[in-house]
Amino acid sequence: DGGITQSPKYLFRKEGQNVTLSCEQNLNHDAMYWYRQDPGQGLRLIYYSQIVNDFQKGDIAEGYSVSREKKESFPLTVTSAQKNPTAFYLCASRGRGDYGYTFGSGTRLTVV
Amino acid sequence: AQSVTQLGSHVSVSEGALVLLRCNYSSSVPPYLFWYVQYPNQGLQLLLKYTTGATLVKGINGFEAEFKKSETSFHLTKPSAHMSDAAEYFCAVESGYSTLTFGKGTMLLVSP
Repeated sequence: DGGITQSPKYLFRKEGQNVTLSCEQNLNHDAMYWYRQDPGQGLRLIYYSQIVNDFQKGDIAEGYSVSREKKESFPLTVTSAQKNPTAFYLCASRGRGDYGYTFGSGTRLTVV
Repeated sequence: AQSVTQLGSHVSVSEGALVLLRCNYSSSVPPYLFWYVQYPNQGLQLLLKYTTGATLVKGINGFEAEFKKSETSFHLTKPSAHMSDAAEYFCAVESGYSTLTFGKGTMLLVSP
């Protein structure tokens, strides 16, 4: 079955360390997205990519970086510059002509 | 610019009662509207969507929503709540082929 796989499900990071969250899809979707979810704040867009080797900043890109070297993969790096990285991170994708997204199951990042 | 307002961060109903979750949006162009549901520590699942055509949209699990342009609303309803409906619900808007903007979510609590 096609879908989006996010790994790991839970991730712990020490302050000052970079960490990379994985997002892989086998839906042949062109566009991929990263959202951050905090309690009571809904989902906020971090980065998105509509085509390989191209991506755009979302509303809260500071302290994050991405790459899109393959259509199937859109990893997110949370850098040490992100002041409050503890959150639930959701990856999504969309096929050409589709409305709405397909979501992965999320990665919960905790800074310890 | 587009935005979504969900009235009520928490809504409590009894099992068997009507569910009504409110969503108002702003959009400079005809919108596409979505409702998603999220269970704890999981990704978002699409409940229903409005793109064009009939303004009353039926979704999964007995939910439906009505697009009212004059009121800029897209409220979600279900005639009879079930315990399994307890989850967080997100309304989202898309204007043109762009990114989705989400509301802050409404937690639905269902009591026996």
